[in-house]
Amino acid sequence: DAGITQSPRHKVTETGTPVTLRCHQTENHRYMYWYRQDPGHGLRLIHYSYGVKDTDKGEVSDGYSVSRSKTEDFLLTLESATSSQTSVYFCAISDVGVLYGYTFGSGTRLTVV
Amino acid sequence: QKEVEQNSGPLSVPEGAIASLNCTYSDRGSQSFFWYRQYSGKSPELIMFIYSNGDKEDGRFTAQLNKASQYVSLLIRDSQPSDSATYLCAVNLSGGYNKLIFGAGTRLAVHP
Repeated sequence: DAGITQSPRHKVTETGTPVTLRCHQTENHRYMYWYRQDPGHGLRLIHYSYGVKDTDKGEVSDGYSVSRSKTEDFLLTLESATSSQTSVYFCAISDVGVLYGYTFGSGTRLTVV
Repeated sequence: QKEVEQNSGPLSVPEGAIASLNCTYSDRGSQSFFWYRQYSGKSPELIMFIYSNGDKEDGRFTAQLNKASQYVSLLIRDSQPSDSATYLCAVNLSGGYNKLIFGAGTRLAVHP
């Protein structure tokens, strides 16, 4: 997707290992978000950021941490991966203003074995 | 717990028909409402947004909003097989930061 990239696209990891997913944007948008998507649950917000070093928890934040040291990068870390964190992870960006929707990255498919 | 509810489907319509997708939400403070289309294995893409009560038309798509009933709908006229996808309803959460809550999506199948 133009202006927003996620890496890696696919990852298989073992239970108990740390994993970091990266989201990079070139749109200079203030807001960035991490969602996970699971069958039957739709997209659920994990963490979000409203500026450099400004982050907060979403509805499913347990087991995840985030960091944003630059406007363009938002990192999601699974401190100790569990099988329940097997999912597709989407990063999204949004400009300032309540009327704007999101632009999504292409997603990262994470499998924890 | 703020919620967005959608019928999971599948909604099956013949080519050329009107597809009607519905969504209800619980947060009365929500101000903006979005419809995303998601093809299998792809990321969601924004197709419509609406902020005011009433109808908003864009090509073959019409979004309808009724804040009193907390109801949002999407009509797709002259449905095409290429419209076959999952449609996600999203609603902004009151409290700022443009946070969106998503429904689980309705799967639409348009058959020739």
